[in-house]
Amino acid sequence: GDSVTQMEGPVTLSEEAFLTINCTYTATGYPSLFWYVQYPGEGLQLLLKATKADDKGSNKGFEATYRKETTSFHLEKGSVQVSDSAVYFCALSGETGNQFYFGTGTSLTVIP
Amino acid sequence: GAGVSQSPSNKVTEKGKDVELRCDPISGHTALYWYRQSLGQGLEFLIYFQGNSAPDKSGLPSDRFSAERTGGSVSTLTIQRTQQEDSAVYLCASSPPPGTSGLYETQYFGPGTRLLVL
Repeated sequence: GDSVTQMEGPVTLSEEAFLTINCTYTATGYPSLFWYVQYPGEGLQLLLKATKADDKGSNKGFEATYRKETTSFHLEKGSVQVSDSAVYFCALSGETGNQFYFGTGTSLTVIP
Repeated sequence: GAGVSQSPSNKVTEKGKDVELRCDPISGHTALYWYRQSLGQGLEFLIYFQGNSAPDKSGLPSDRFSAERTGGSVSTLTIQRTQQEDSAVYLCASSPPPGTSGLYETQYFGPGTRLLVL
């Protein structure tokens, strides 16, 4: 079945460091891919998405490219800030759009 | 505008009791999802409602779990004869109708209900 695997945390970085959170997926057909973020004390919210191969989603300085050849959707940011401290979830939606499959989440802490 | 709301925010119950969790989606959203987030686990899909169509119940872990959505709006997730392994955060999300400014696949999450079964 469809599934998502993302790198385990927690991840601790210094401010202005480069961030990569790996995400790979298994799916039939052509899923849509997402990154959701959960800030402390808040609900999950969509960070970015890509709906077809080679699409790049971007938001708030974060980017992720839908790579069909490597079945990956790695999240990157060139210079993290303390305010980026949160839990990040990779997710996919199958072709029917009915079901979403989430990774286990990666906790990021950015220290000044 | 108002986001997705869930109640109660926290629920402590005894093993064997039934519980009901409520979700109020964003007005006008036709899709509604329930997920379970256990400690150290990702989000586990439970059930999906879309408009007046039959719900997709394929994620419900056992027949002790059921959900309904009345009038295409409010949804209630019921867990009968709760077990300790049911302890988790239960999240609800809603999505606008298909084709709404390309937002079909974006889910808006509620704050969750934290359930503890003693």
